[in-house]
Amino acid sequence: KNEVEQSPQNLTAQEGEFITINCSYSVGISALHWLQQHPGGGIVSLFMLSSGKKKHGRLIATINIQEKHSSLHITASHPRDSAVYICAAFLGGGADGLTFGKGTHLIIQP
Amino acid sequence: DAGVTQSPTHLIKTRGQQVTLRCSPKSGHDTVSWYQQALGQGPQFIFQYYEEEERQRGNFPDRFSGHQFPNYSSELNVNALLLGDSALYLCASRKVGSNQPQHFGDGTRLSIL
Repeated sequence: KNEVEQSPQNLTAQEGEFITINCSYSVGISALHWLQQHPGGGIVSLFMLSSGKKKHGRLIATINIQEKHSSLHITASHPRDSAVYICAAFLGGGADGLTFGKGTHLIIQP
Repeated sequence: DAGVTQSPTHLIKTRGQQVTLRCSPKSGHDTVSWYQQALGQGPQFIFQYYEEEERQRGNFPDRFSGHQFPNYSSELNVNALLLGDSALYLCASRKVGSNQPQHFGDGTRLSIL
């Protein structure tokens, strides 16, 4: 069983819909990353959070440390949001290696 | 300010050959991590370099080795290539001691024939 599980694996939605991607992890973490990967491979870090909630534009990330669960929300989704969204656990303590989920492939249709 | 740069962008090799991939970290960053991402999968951690030493290693065989240079750039070497080594290899950097996330390069896509 992967230490970081994401759901759903694939998500297709219409432009304007509210999107939620979920991430559960089984290890103790220092922080959780949400990353965006476009076709071709480049990865962009969206959020790194260890508690509470962060917002950047139409993106919102929340984390519940007790429940070992995080969510990424996209409001007013747009076709340019189509990408693979990956959550990754950061253990900290000098250990830089991230443990990744398998990603959620999001397609926003116009 | 250039971010993390990787070279080459694409590479084709045959089984049994050896390959070297290169990474320059973002300016001001001093630690580099390497990841392997197979098609349709999330990245898997290979190893991390800091102060020119391997500090942490994932579950990869000794065929995978690396190096970090005094200017913080890094190389990933893979010997005796197997078909299963075909993947996107990602490099990420950050500044040790900061609370900032890792910055990723665009990766090197390695194909083994």
